Amino acid sequence: GQQVMQIPQYQHVQEGEDFTTYCNSSTTLSNIQWYKQRPGGHPVFLIQLVKSGEVKKQKRLTFQFGEAKKNSSLHITATQTTDVGTYFCAGVMDSNYQLIWGAGTKLIIKP
Amino acid sequence: ETGVTQTPRHLVMGMTNKKSLKCEQHLGHNAMYWYKQSAKKPLELMFVYSLEERVENNSVPSRFSPECPNSSHLFLHLHTLQPEDSALYLCASSQERSIAANTGELFFGEGSRLTVL
Repeated sequence: GQQVMQIPQYQHVQEGEDFTTYCNSSTTLSNIQWYKQRPGGHPVFLIQLVKSGEVKKQKRLTFQFGEAKKNSSLHITATQTTDVGTYFCAGVMDSNYQLIWGAGTKLIIKP
Repeated sequence: ETGVTQTPRHLVMGMTNKKSLKCEQHLGHNAMYWYKQSAKKPLELMFVYSLEERVENNSVPSRFSPECPNSSHLFLHLHTLQPEDSALYLCASSQERSIAANTGELFFGEGSRLTVL
């Protein structure tokens, strides 16, 4: 079936280090969305990418959509404690507009 | 405050109980969704309603029964659940069902944490 693979499952970083999560789809995506879920919270929409090769920035967050529209990444520069949470990608399938979710990457700041 | 309100926030039930989860959205959206979130798994879409009509049912067991009396309210009726049904149940809404037609942003409620004993 259609899948969106997201890696890594966890990433432990020191505060101030960078963080990256990657999503890969088995099929071409119409667009891809990114969400953040704080511990004990609910997913909150961050951004949507639509165009091939698109790059968008939100302060320290950089989102990329691959040229083939099958992969995407989220990079956080100089992580802060407020960045803690799980980051999910969700790809909209080109064929049927179904939203397929990645399993999420949990960002953990080392004490 | 997301504009999507879920009650109860926590629910513990036995396998023979009947309970319901409620969701209300104050955003004027036309589509509403039930998702199941289990640890270390992707969000699982259960049901989608668009303009009060069920448009998607992802092979969910019949012990889960959705109801959408109007475009602002969504219920999930629970009956004879199993322990493996314990999870966070998330309600969401979006402007339209055809996600590609607009920003496609989903607005989630805070979830109902369900424990089945």
